[in-house]
Amino acid sequence: GAVVSQHPSRVICKSGTSVKIECRSLDFQATTMFWYRQFPKQSLMLMATSNEGSKATYEQGVEKDKFLINHASLTLSTLTVTSAHPEDSSFYICSGYREYTEAFFGQGTRLTVV
Amino acid sequence: GEDVEQSLFLSVREGDSSVINCTYTDSSSTYLYWYKQEPGAGLQLLTYIFSNMDMKQDQRLTVLLNKKDKHLSLRIADTQTGDSAIYFCAEMNYGGSQGNLIFGKGTKLSVKP
Repeated sequence: GAVVSQHPSRVICKSGTSVKIECRSLDFQATTMFWYRQFPKQSLMLMATSNEGSKATYEQGVEKDKFLINHASLTLSTLTVTSAHPEDSSFYICSGYREYTEAFFGQGTRLTVV
Repeated sequence: GEDVEQSLFLSVREGDSSVINCTYTDSSSTYLYWYKQEPGAGLQLLTYIFSNMDMKQDQRLTVLLNKKDKHLSLRIADTQTGDSAIYFCAEMNYGGSQGNLIFGKGTKLSVKP
């Protein structure tokens, strides 16, 4: 299947700093990428929809100034968690669509804010 | 709003069949998916089914769809210990040119030797 590479897989940062997470589609072009957040023992919640060359669309309750999304090319989307706080600690997963129906997910990033 | 529900736990013995069930509410869903998540990892697409199909089989995996009851199931034949993971059911919600997936909370499958 198609490959979506997400980096880093784990990151620990200090409270108040910013962290950037990269999501790359390696063998297909993704005009749209989605960013999800997963709390322990819970399902994935959509945070935002990232469209190449335009501003991301954020879900209700997600702070766009805190979670900055950039989709500069058809193969790369980034999520930057700004001024991170311990409550931002979570598992973040990106996905990209190949064609219209197949969504492929990155490996996920475990963010721990201390 | 859209909702996807599935039981949280399932325990089976190695070699038995596993059946994971899911119900959804959005009758306009055209694609339904099963994903597998191993500990600390992202999601792996297992299979998906188009809503005009009743069944789809792929090796050890069989997906059954009852569109009238909005019920989806995943059957894993000859379950192995490597199948232990969390399985997510998801439906596609068309909010734009490409939809996003609405996930259930996941069913944790434990396979005992």
